Amino acid sequence: EPEVTQTPSHQVTQMGQEVILRCVPISNHLYFYWYRQILGQKVEFLVSFYNNEISEKSEIFDDQFSVERPDGSNFTLKIRSTKLEDSAMYFCASAGQLNTGELFFGEGSRLTVL
Amino acid sequence: SQQGEEDPQALSIQEGENATMNCSYKTSINNLQWYRQNSGRGLVHLILIRSNEREKHSGRLRVTLDTSKKSSSLLITASRAADTASYFCATPVDKLIFGTGTRLQVFP
Repeated sequence: EPEVTQTPSHQVTQMGQEVILRCVPISNHLYFYWYRQILGQKVEFLVSFYNNEISEKSEIFDDQFSVERPDGSNFTLKIRSTKLEDSAMYFCASAGQLNTGELFFGEGSRLTVL
Repeated sequence: SQQGEEDPQALSIQEGENATMNCSYKTSINNLQWYRQNSGRGLVHLILIRSNEREKHSGRLRVTLDTSKKSSSLLITASRAADTASYFCATPVDKLIFGTGTRLQVFP
């Protein structure tokens, strides 16, 4: 069964460092998403991406964040200068349809900022 | 926002019992989805119910939708210890907005 894969599964970084989280969505999907979940809290929307551009972003997704689909398969989330409060699980998701279908989630990348 | 809110926040039951979780949302939807999250893992889609459906079944899952009350319920019948997880409802408006979830603990 096709699945969304994310790397790394866990990354530890120092505050102020740049981090890139990688995702390989399901191959024929067109809509891509990043969500974040701080430990013990709810899953929060960060950004959606379609047709090689950002469709929507939340207020969490400030200038320190960027997304890119550098080739036909990868979808990356970059945090330019990490802060302690960026420590969270980051989930990538993809969908074949907008609004009408399910999202397929990866297993997440746990980011720990020290 | 289209945020769903689940109730109760936590639920503990014995294996074999049924578990019912409720979700309320704020505005009109074309579908509502339920997801499951095992601790520290990704979310897994369980079931989608469209706005013109009132009830849907999938295995031991039964979902109802009442658009007049803007609410949905998820029933897990004959629960198992492996059903222990957090359950979220989600409503789509270009992106899925998740509620706070119900943490279900099923004791063997």
